[in-house]
Amino acid sequence: GAVVSQHPSRVICKSGTSVKIECRSLDFQATTMFWYRQFPKQSLMLMATSNEGSKATYEQGVEKDKFLINHASLTLSTLTVTSAHPEDSSFYICSASAPGSEQYFGPGTRLTVT
Amino acid sequence: GEDVEQSLFLSVREGDSSVINCTYTDSSSTYLYWYKQEPGAGLQLLTYIFSNMDMKQDQRLTVLLNKKDKHLSLRIADTQTGDSAIYFCADHGSGNTGKLIFGQGTTLQVKP
Repeated sequence: GAVVSQHPSRVICKSGTSVKIECRSLDFQATTMFWYRQFPKQSLMLMATSNEGSKATYEQGVEKDKFLINHASLTLSTLTVTSAHPEDSSFYICSASAPGSEQYFGPGTRLTVT
Repeated sequence: GEDVEQSLFLSVREGDSSVINCTYTDSSSTYLYWYKQEPGAGLQLLTYIFSNMDMKQDQRLTVLLNKKDKHLSLRIADTQTGDSAIYFCADHGSGNTGKLIFGQGTTLQVKP
Protein backbone atom coordinates (compact mmCIF):
# COMPACT_ATOMS: atom_id res chain seq x y z
CA GLY A 1 0.00 0.00 0.00
CA ALA A 2 0.91 3.66 -0.22
CA VAL A 3 3.12 5.23 2.43
CA VAL A 4 2.25 8.26 4.51
CA SER A 5 4.74 9.71 6.95
CA GLN A 6 4.34 12.15 9.81
CA HIS A 7 6.95 14.30 11.44
CA PRO A 8 7.72 14.54 14.25
CA SER A 9 6.55 11.30 15.80
CA ARG A 10 6.68 12.82 19.27
CA VAL A 11 6.90 16.42 20.40
CA ILE A 12 6.85 18.11 23.76
CA CYS A 13 6.24 21.85 23.86
CA LYS A 14 5.62 24.48 26.47
CA SER A 15 2.20 25.97 27.01
CA GLY A 16 1.64 29.03 24.83
CA THR A 17 3.98 27.99 22.03
CA SER A 18 3.01 26.73 18.59
CA VAL A 19 3.94 23.40 17.08
CA LYS A 20 3.79 22.22 13.48
CA ILE A 21 3.13 18.65 12.42
CA GLU A 22 3.86 17.52 8.87
CA CYS A 23 2.07 14.83 6.90
CA ARG A 24 3.63 13.58 3.68
CA SER A 25 2.45 11.13 1.07
CA LEU A 26 5.69 9.52 -0.06
CA ASP A 27 4.71 7.61 -3.18
CA PHE A 28 1.49 9.08 -4.48
CA GLN A 29 -0.17 12.42 -5.01
CA ALA A 30 -2.71 13.06 -2.30
CA THR A 31 -5.47 15.34 -3.46
CA THR A 32 -7.16 15.07 -0.07
CA MET A 33 -5.67 14.85 3.39
CA PHE A 34 -7.52 14.35 6.65
CA TRP A 35 -6.45 15.27 10.16
CA TYR A 36 -7.69 13.26 13.13
CA ARG A 37 -7.26 13.54 16.84
CA GLN A 38 -7.29 10.53 19.13
CA PHE A 39 -7.63 10.63 22.89
CA PRO A 40 -6.36 7.69 24.97
CA LYS A 41 -8.47 4.58 24.49
CA GLN A 42 -10.88 6.48 22.27
CA SER A 43 -11.79 6.63 18.64
CA LEU A 44 -10.44 8.93 15.97
CA MET A 45 -12.17 12.27 15.78
CA LEU A 46 -12.01 13.95 12.39
CA MET A 47 -10.78 17.50 12.78
CA ALA A 48 -10.65 18.72 9.20
CA THR A 49 -10.46 17.75 5.57
CA SER A 50 -8.06 19.53 3.28
CA ASN A 51 -7.89 19.49 -0.48
CA GLU A 52 -4.73 20.59 -2.21
CA GLY A 53 -4.78 24.28 -2.95
CA SER A 54 -8.01 24.94 -1.06
CA LYS A 55 -8.90 26.02 2.43
CA ALA A 56 -9.50 23.20 4.85
CA THR A 57 -13.01 22.21 5.86
CA TYR A 58 -13.23 21.98 9.62
CA GLU A 59 -15.59 19.76 11.57
CA GLN A 60 -18.04 21.32 13.95
CA GLY A 61 -16.43 22.32 17.22
CA VAL A 62 -12.87 22.46 15.86
CA GLU A 63 -11.33 25.93 16.12
CA LYS A 64 -9.80 26.79 12.78
CA ASP A 65 -7.75 29.64 14.25
CA LYS A 66 -6.19 27.28 16.73
CA PHE A 67 -5.57 24.35 14.41
CA LEU A 68 -4.15 25.81 11.21
CA ILE A 69 -4.07 23.44 8.28
CA ASN A 70 -2.15 24.02 5.09
CA HIS A 71 -2.19 21.69 2.08
CA ALA A 72 0.11 23.52 -0.27
CA SER A 73 1.20 20.60 -2.41
CA LEU A 74 -0.01 17.18 -3.46
CA THR A 75 2.43 15.51 -1.09
CA LEU A 76 2.44 17.71 2.00
CA SER A 77 -0.09 18.95 4.53
CA THR A 78 0.75 20.64 7.80
CA LEU A 79 -1.19 21.06 11.03
CA THR A 80 -0.07 23.88 13.30
CA VAL A 81 -1.38 23.92 16.84
CA THR A 82 -1.17 27.56 17.86
CA SER A 83 -0.78 28.74 21.43
CA ALA A 84 -0.89 25.17 22.64
CA HIS A 85 -2.32 24.31 26.04
CA PRO A 86 -2.16 21.08 28.04
CA GLU A 87 -5.66 20.12 26.88
CA ASP A 88 -4.31 20.02 23.31
CA SER A 89 -2.09 17.09 24.30
CA SER A 90 -3.21 14.20 22.16
CA PHE A 91 -2.30 11.78 19.39
CA TYR A 92 -2.72 13.44 16.00
CA ILE A 93 -3.07 11.22 12.93
CA CYS A 94 -3.24 12.25 9.31
CA SER A 95 -4.44 10.29 6.33
CA ALA A 96 -4.09 10.90 2.62
CA SER A 97 -6.08 9.80 -0.38
CA ALA A 98 -6.25 10.22 -4.12
CA PRO A 99 -9.46 10.13 -6.17
CA GLY A 100 -10.99 6.67 -5.93
CA SER A 101 -8.42 5.40 -3.46
CA GLU A 102 -8.69 4.40 0.17
CA GLN A 103 -7.30 6.59 2.92
CA TYR A 104 -3.73 5.79 3.87
CA PHE A 105 -2.89 6.66 7.44
CA GLY A 106 0.27 8.12 8.86
CA PRO A 107 1.88 6.67 11.99
CA GLY A 108 0.66 9.52 14.20
CA THR A 109 2.28 12.28 16.24
CA ARG A 110 2.15 12.31 20.02
CA LEU A 111 1.89 15.90 21.24
CA THR A 112 2.48 16.70 24.90
CA VAL A 113 2.01 20.27 26.09
CA THR A 114 3.59 21.04 29.46
CA GLY B 1 -25.30 12.56 12.75
CA GLU B 2 -24.22 9.13 11.67
CA ASP B 3 -22.91 6.82 14.34
CA VAL B 4 -20.82 3.67 14.56
CA GLU B 5 -20.79 1.52 17.69
CA GLN B 6 -18.49 -1.28 18.83
CA SER B 7 -18.01 -3.26 22.00
CA LEU B 8 -14.90 -2.08 23.79
CA PHE B 9 -13.08 -5.25 24.74
CA LEU B 10 -12.67 -8.86 23.67
CA SER B 11 -10.40 -11.50 25.17
CA VAL B 12 -9.68 -14.82 23.47
CA ARG B 13 -7.16 -17.64 23.75
CA GLU B 14 -4.52 -18.14 21.12
CA GLY B 15 -5.81 -20.43 18.38
CA ASP B 16 -9.45 -19.57 18.97
CA SER B 17 -11.55 -17.48 16.61
CA SER B 18 -12.29 -13.85 17.46
CA VAL B 19 -15.46 -12.10 16.39
CA ILE B 20 -15.60 -8.32 16.64
CA ASN B 21 -18.99 -6.71 16.10
CA CYS B 22 -19.99 -3.28 14.85
CA THR B 23 -23.29 -1.53 14.24
CA TYR B 24 -23.85 1.59 12.20
CA THR B 25 -26.74 3.93 11.52
CA ASP B 26 -26.10 5.23 8.00
CA SER B 27 -28.50 3.43 5.67
CA SER B 28 -26.71 4.80 2.61
CA SER B 29 -23.24 3.46 3.46
CA THR B 30 -21.20 2.44 0.44
CA TYR B 31 -18.13 0.92 2.00
CA LEU B 32 -17.40 -0.35 5.49
CA TYR B 33 -13.86 -0.83 6.68
CA TRP B 34 -11.92 -2.64 9.36
CA TYR B 35 -8.68 -1.09 10.62
CA LYS B 36 -6.09 -2.37 13.08
CA GLN B 37 -4.13 -0.09 15.39
CA GLU B 38 -1.15 -1.31 17.38
CA PRO B 39 0.02 0.71 20.42
CA GLY B 40 1.41 4.12 19.51
CA ALA B 41 0.92 3.58 15.79
CA GLY B 42 -1.36 4.71 13.01
CA LEU B 43 -4.13 2.70 11.42
CA GLN B 44 -3.61 -0.24 9.12
CA LEU B 45 -6.41 -1.14 6.73
CA LEU B 46 -7.25 -4.82 7.19
CA THR B 47 -10.16 -5.26 4.85
CA TYR B 48 -13.30 -3.60 3.58
CA ILE B 49 -16.63 -4.64 2.19
CA PHE B 50 -18.86 -2.98 -0.34
CA SER B 51 -22.42 -2.46 0.80
CA ASN B 52 -23.92 -4.80 -1.80
CA MET B 53 -21.89 -7.74 -0.47
CA ASP B 54 -22.86 -10.07 2.37
CA MET B 55 -19.50 -11.63 3.01
CA LYS B 56 -15.87 -11.21 2.16
CA GLN B 57 -13.06 -13.58 3.09
CA ASP B 58 -9.38 -12.75 2.99
CA GLN B 59 -7.11 -15.44 4.45
CA ARG B 60 -7.84 -15.54 8.20
CA LEU B 61 -10.28 -12.64 8.03
CA THR B 62 -13.98 -12.97 7.28
CA VAL B 63 -16.27 -9.96 7.13
CA LEU B 64 -20.02 -10.41 7.38
CA LEU B 65 -22.43 -7.61 6.56
CA ASN B 66 -26.11 -7.63 7.47
CA LYS B 67 -27.34 -4.53 5.74
CA LYS B 68 -30.91 -4.92 7.00
CA ASP B 69 -29.75 -4.84 10.63
CA LYS B 70 -26.81 -2.50 9.86
CA HIS B 71 -24.48 -4.97 11.51
CA LEU B 72 -20.91 -5.71 10.52
CA SER B 73 -18.59 -8.29 11.99
CA LEU B 74 -14.94 -9.25 11.62
CA ARG B 75 -13.94 -12.83 12.33
CA ILE B 76 -10.28 -13.64 12.82
CA ALA B 77 -9.59 -17.35 12.55
CA ASP B 78 -6.76 -18.99 14.53
CA THR B 79 -6.11 -15.81 16.50
CA GLN B 80 -2.45 -15.21 17.33
CA THR B 81 -0.79 -13.06 19.99
CA GLY B 82 0.30 -10.72 17.21
CA ASP B 83 -3.36 -9.99 16.54
CA SER B 84 -3.60 -8.18 19.89
CA ALA B 85 -4.48 -4.60 18.99
CA ILE B 86 -7.40 -2.18 18.74
CA TYR B 87 -9.77 -2.84 15.85
CA PHE B 88 -11.86 -0.04 14.41
CA CYS B 89 -14.76 -0.32 12.06
CA ALA B 90 -15.46 2.70 9.89
CA ASP B 91 -18.32 3.77 7.68
CA HIS B 92 -17.62 5.60 4.43
CA GLY B 93 -21.17 6.72 3.82
CA SER B 94 -22.55 7.76 0.47
CA GLY B 95 -20.98 11.16 0.09
CA ASN B 96 -17.94 11.90 -2.01
CA THR B 97 -16.00 13.78 0.66
CA GLY B 98 -14.07 10.67 1.61
CA LYS B 99 -14.93 11.18 5.28
CA LEU B 100 -14.92 8.13 7.51
CA ILE B 101 -16.96 7.72 10.68
CA PHE B 102 -15.11 5.50 13.15
CA GLY B 103 -16.41 3.33 15.94
CA GLN B 104 -14.84 3.54 19.39
CA GLY B 105 -12.52 0.64 18.73
CA THR B 106 -12.47 -2.87 20.19
CA THR B 107 -9.40 -3.89 22.14
CA LEU B 108 -8.57 -7.50 21.34
CA GLN B 109 -6.50 -9.30 23.95
CA VAL B 110 -5.08 -12.66 22.92
CA LYS B 111 -3.95 -14.88 25.77
CA PRO B 112 -1.32 -17.54 25.14
